[in-house]
Amino acid sequence: DAKTTQPNSMESNEEEPVHLPCNHSTISGTDYIHWYRQLPSQGPEYVIHGLTSNVNNRMASLAIAEDRKSSTLILHRATLRDAAVYYCILRPVYNQGGKLIFGQGTELSVKP
Amino acid sequence: ETGVTQTPRHLVMGMTNKKSLKCEQHLGHNAMYWYKQSAKKPLELMFVYNFKEQTENNSVPSRFSPECPNSSHLFLHLHTLQPEDSALYLCASSQGWTGDGYTFGSGTRLTVV
Repeated sequence: DAKTTQPNSMESNEEEPVHLPCNHSTISGTDYIHWYRQLPSQGPEYVIHGLTSNVNNRMASLAIAEDRKSSTLILHRATLRDAAVYYCILRPVYNQGGKLIFGQGTELSVKP
Repeated sequence: ETGVTQTPRHLVMGMTNKKSLKCEQHLGHNAMYWYKQSAKKPLELMFVYNFKEQTENNSVPSRFSPECPNSSHLFLHLHTLQPEDSALYLCASSQGWTGDGYTFGSGTRLTVV
């Protein structure tokens, strides 16, 4: 399974943008880049995913490097409710299950 | 409500008990998953089902027995558990053959006493 590397923790101030980095140098051509977040005592929540192009949705933006070996999740204006563990995961497709393997993730704290 | 419903939310059981966890989704997904999350640890994938067929068992002890009667329902039968099996058990579903995201339930917090 292709691996990702994320910082263990990051801090942000409320209402400021947050850039969460992820390295995935062994990514293959059929791996989608997924981001999830998990609040305490809850299941993970899907945030965004992409393959090659940058992606935007109501929650966040995903910037993917041209060589696909790294990506950045961008929260445009952090709120206290964005404090969570953020997981960057490579999801293989075109094989059974396309399973998600979680790492340690980045624990984001947001200061008022 | 995430689209994936897990019951019960909390469960306390003795080591000699038999209990079952239930997961239900009506999202039209064809793949379902069980994950275990112990305190301060990443999620561990336990089982994968595609179109009701088990396609992955990550060396899970036989005291955990999954069942998938149809694409919308998934069970995890528990018997003779150990205290170290206490954890948050999460169910998820997805369209297994696409790159789309998983939908997770809120989990069952299991305590084995």
